[in-house]
Amino acid sequence: AQSVTQPDIHITVSEGASLELRCNYSYGATPYLFWYVQSPGQGLQLLLKYFSGDTLVQGIKGFEAEFKRSQSSFNLRKPSVHWSDAAEYFCAVGALEYGNKLVFGAGTILRVKS
Amino acid sequence: DTAVSQTPKYLVTQMGNDKSIKCEQNLGHDTMYWYKQDSKKFLKIMFSYNNKELIINETVPNRFSPKSPDKAHLNLHINSLELGDSAVYFCASSPTGGTEAFFGQGTRLTVV
Repeated sequence: AQSVTQPDIHITVSEGASLELRCNYSYGATPYLFWYVQSPGQGLQLLLKYFSGDTLVQGIKGFEAEFKRSQSSFNLRKPSVHWSDAAEYFCAVGALEYGNKLVFGAGTILRVKS
Repeated sequence: DTAVSQTPKYLVTQMGNDKSIKCEQNLGHDTMYWYKQDSKKFLKIMFSYNNKELIINETVPNRFSPKSPDKAHLNLHINSLELGDSAVYFCASSPTGGTEAFFGQGTRLTVV
């Protein structure tokens, strides 16, 4: 069965500090991996995606993520967090073999303290 | 110039009513989806259509009926609404051969 685990429900970081959000997946096919961000009352915005190739991918707003096949992980990082990064972050996995549907993790709420 | 648009954004209705949510995408994508986000923010796919044909139906009660009049539109009709249907419903689309999904702003449905 396909599943995505985001172990941290909440994370609080100070503005300017670095950030890492964890994501582990279990998938029976070659996965495509995504990180989405949702601000309160808003839709989902794609931050970055991994399909193949370089395992370190760059996204918007200064975010990056690294795919580690051996650990089944796709952790999201940012070197210096801004107050506007406070939002909920969702890791998602998809595969063409499963009809293009995305399976989402439960989300991680990021709080930024000044 | 909105890519994926849903209407209405908010919907409050009584139990037992029938309601519809409309979705349109102007990205030229062939595949459209409905996702449900429950009160704990958990997102789960409900349906997927490719070029007007249903390809995913994730054990959703048959009170939910998607309709795709053309590949740019995917509407969701819900009969006999129940309290447990209260959630945020997201429409999304993706190009054929790609799993990257573009999401609408969501419709917050509240059943009272």
